[in-house]
Amino acid sequence: AAGVIQSPRHLIKEKRETATLKCYPIPRHDTVYWYQQGPGQDPQFLISFYEKMQSDKGSIPDRFSAQQFSDYHSELNMSSLELGDSALYFCASSLGGGGTIYGYTFGSGTRLTVV
Amino acid sequence: KQEVTQIPAALSVPEGENLVLNCSFTDSAIYNLQWFRQDPGKGLTSLLLIQSSQREQTSGRLNASLDKSSGRSTLYIAASQPGDSATYLCAVRSARGGADGLTFGKGTHLIIQP
Repeated sequence: AAGVIQSPRHLIKEKRETATLKCYPIPRHDTVYWYQQGPGQDPQFLISFYEKMQSDKGSIPDRFSAQQFSDYHSELNMSSLELGDSALYFCASSLGGGGTIYGYTFGSGTRLTVV
Repeated sequence: KQEVTQIPAALSVPEGENLVLNCSFTDSAIYNLQWFRQDPGKGLTSLLLIQSSQREQTSGRLNASLDKSSGRSTLYIAASQPGDSATYLCAVRSARGGADGLTFGKGTHLIIQP
């Protein structure tokens, strides 16, 4: 079965650079979520999109932005990167109801290292 | 604000033992609760999803229960194996308006000794 696809798997950037992470949800899933997991931390919700519109916003820094495209894939854009942005970034998708019915399926994550 | 707590933070047991992982949450207004497994540096694998109207779910050697009114869930692992070693995360989907994201606990780091 198709899963949530994230790219790239690993990314190394320097401070103050920009990074773009991509997420391809499970086909027919209409909602995409982004999470950040710092070393030894639990995943923190950043932002979500339902039918290409922003649905909810969590602890996403102003330096970050995201969008969902017509094919339902989503991109997380991170600017002016800081050392503290080094983390595992997960994308998840769900079908209908914002995860209230079928739960969430997570991708394998993108490990971002800022040096 | 929803808070999720998992006890114990770490657990090491010899293989073959049955074990219980605990999860508690402060706000009982939830749609569902999901248990995930995470291997070091890897993604989250969904193990079990329990809707708020359900009492338990089973998958193979795993059984998860939910007592929504008391804000508790347990994950029971029968006949543990070394391959079960991982971090187990509990997450709740709040039913409070506008909150899309899951709230996670900090996980239980499980080691099964061969």
